[in-house]
Amino acid sequence: AQSVTQLGSHVSVSEGALVLLRCNYSSSVPPYLFWYVQYPNQGLQLLLKYTSAATLVKGINGFEAEFKKSETSFHLTKPSAHMSDAAEYFCAVEGEYGNKLVFGAGTILRVKS
Amino acid sequence: DTGVSQNPRHKITKRGQNVTFRCDPISEHNRLYWYRQTLGQGPEFLTYFQNEAQLEKSRLLSDRFSAERPKGSFSTLEIQRTEQGDSAMYLCASSFGGPGELFFGEGSRLTVL
Repeated sequence: AQSVTQLGSHVSVSEGALVLLRCNYSSSVPPYLFWYVQYPNQGLQLLLKYTSAATLVKGINGFEAEFKKSETSFHLTKPSAHMSDAAEYFCAVEGEYGNKLVFGAGTILRVKS
Repeated sequence: DTGVSQNPRHKITKRGQNVTFRCDPISEHNRLYWYRQTLGQGPEFLTYFQNEAQLEKSRLLSDRFSAERPKGSFSTLEIQRTEQGDSAMYLCASSFGGPGELFFGEGSRLTVL
């Protein structure tokens, strides 16, 4: 069965520092992978997705993620954190039959001034 | 562009009562998903519809839960004989075609006393 594991339920960075949120996946088929963000009192929204094209995927708000098959990883990065990046981030993998998304437990990003 | 709308946003009920949540998806989207999210966890898949057909239900969806999507438009999620363990945020999402990019509503928060 498809699953994702997000390492670190809370990550704290200073404004301007590198953001690194970790995601490892388990998949019985070539995976489609996603990162979603949830701001307080808002619905989840898509940051970026990997669908077997380029392994380095660029998303909105300066975020990007790299698919590494050998490491079964899809970590999310941003070179310089901004206060507005404070939110909860979810990694997700498409179900093996292409019928749903399976989400990780989420990582809360805190940005310190 | 009207997004995914969920009502009510908050519901407080007593144990044993029935509750119903409504979801209005983006109009051209043929797939509609229900997820449940509890504190510290990512969204957990409950069920999904393609047009009016309910194609998959999670084991999480006990016989007290029922979902419908008449005419392939809005959807309702009913919980009968609520239990305290049903307290959660119920999320609705829609998409066109495969799960790919899901568009989420803001959720309906249920508190069972």
